[in-house]
Amino acid sequence: GENVEQHPSTLSVQEGDSAVIKCTYSDSASNYFPWYKQELGKRPQLIIDIRSNVGEKKDQRIAVTLNKTAKHFSLHITETQPEDSAVYFCAASRKAAGNKLTFGGGTRVLVKP
Amino acid sequence: EAGVAQSPRYKIIEKRQSVAFWCNPISGHATLYWYQQILGQGPKLLIQFQNNGVVDDSQLPKDRFSAERLKGVDSTLKIQPAKLEDSAVYLCASSFILAAYNEQFFGPGTRLTVL
Repeated sequence: GENVEQHPSTLSVQEGDSAVIKCTYSDSASNYFPWYKQELGKRPQLIIDIRSNVGEKKDQRIAVTLNKTAKHFSLHITETQPEDSAVYFCAASRKAAGNKLTFGGGTRVLVKP
Repeated sequence: EAGVAQSPRYKIIEKRQSVAFWCNPISGHATLYWYQQILGQGPKLLIQFQNNGVVDDSQLPKDRFSAERLKGVDSTLKIQPAKLEDSAVYLCASSFILAAYNEQFFGPGTRLTVL
């Protein structure tokens, strides 16, 4: 089955700096890669996603890149703010597997004011 | 629109006891998922329903876990008997249809502590 590795497990940045989280996946047939943000004690919420036919997607301060050949994708947060502090999860899925999401282990991001 | 509802929010039981969790998905969402999230880890899918049929239960420990979605709406997840390692947050999620690129909406979760 699919395996998703996520790095780093923790990330501390100064407010205003950029944060980058990287994920690799094992199943070359995976075609959908969402990113979820989970604040302490709250539910995971989708912040951005990318499909396998796209190499990059941006939404304001958040961007995601996908390298299908290398089977890795990354989340980029620019101009970080204290409210960006949370745990971020990457995930991968493919239609043939019922769109089952396989999650990475998570990255705890701390934005220091 | 109303989100995914789950109850209870918290549950403390002793090992070997039984427990049940309830989930009400977003209205009109045909696909429902149960995930187990152990502290410090990403959610792991336990079971996936499409309407009232099981799509994937390959990671459900069937000797102690069971789930149903009899009328294709609400769902219950049961653990009997519970073990210490079942301590986790149990998340329910739903999506509109079983299709690629379909966003999964998560409920607030039930935090289970097994003593």
